[in-house]
Amino acid sequence: NAGVMQNPRHLVRRRGQEARLRCSPMKGHSHVYWYRQLPEEGLKFMVYLQKENIIDESGMPKERFSAEFPKEGPSILRIQQVVRGDSAAYFCASSSGISGNTIYFGEGSWLTVV
Amino acid sequence: GESVGLHLPTLSVQEGDNSIINCAYSNSASDYFIWYKQESGKGPQFIIDIRSNMDKRQGQRVTVLLNKTVKHLSLQIAATQPGDSAVYFCAENPPNFNKFYFGSGTKLNVKP
Repeated sequence: NAGVMQNPRHLVRRRGQEARLRCSPMKGHSHVYWYRQLPEEGLKFMVYLQKENIIDESGMPKERFSAEFPKEGPSILRIQQVVRGDSAAYFCASSSGISGNTIYFGEGSWLTVV
Repeated sequence: GESVGLHLPTLSVQEGDNSIINCAYSNSASDYFIWYKQESGKGPQFIIDIRSNMDKRQGQRVTVLLNKTVKHLSLQIAATQPGDSAVYFCAENPPNFNKFYFGSGTKLNVKP
C-alpha cells in the first residue's frame, strides 16, 4: 500500500472551515475509492471514482461533501463547513479498475475538527 | 454488507497460539475476497486474497478458508506474534462490480 499517497496525514480544522484531502493512486491505477473510519469502527464506503468520472457516490453525505478525480493531479475529497462529527480518518484506495483486482490503501488522513 | 458503525469485537490470544478470525459476507455472488490488517494509526494492509473457485489459500503463516455454502471466510494465523496485534477486515467483491464491501472488523490482541 506504500504506493497510494495521501496528504495531509493530519489536518486540524475549526468548525465551519473547509477540509481538502488529497490522494494520488498507485502507479498504473486509474480508479480511486474513499472510505471513512471512526475510532474503533470499520471502513465505511464513501465514493468510487475514475478519472473525470464519479462511478458510485452512494456513501457520500448529500451535503457539504464532494469528491473529484481530475484528468491531471490527485483525487480530492472536499468537506465544506466542517462539523465535529466529521472528525475521522479518511482512507483512499486505488485499483486498476478491473473487477476482481486488489485495491490498495494509503495511510490515511486524520481530520480533527475543533 | 458494509460496516455501518459497529464497534469492533476483540479476540485475545496468547503469543505462539494459533488465531482464527471469522467473517460473514453478504453477497452469495461475490467471487473475490481479501483480508486486510490495520495497525493503529495506519492504513489497511493487504494480507491475502482468495477467489471463489478455491476453498483454501495459504500464505506465510496465514491461511484463508472460504465456505461459499454459508458465506463464511476465516483467516488463520499460525504461531501468533505480538506484531500480529491489529484489526483485521475481510472484504468481498461481487462479480463485474469494482466496489468492495468490508466486514466490521475484528481486533486481535496478542498477549505475551
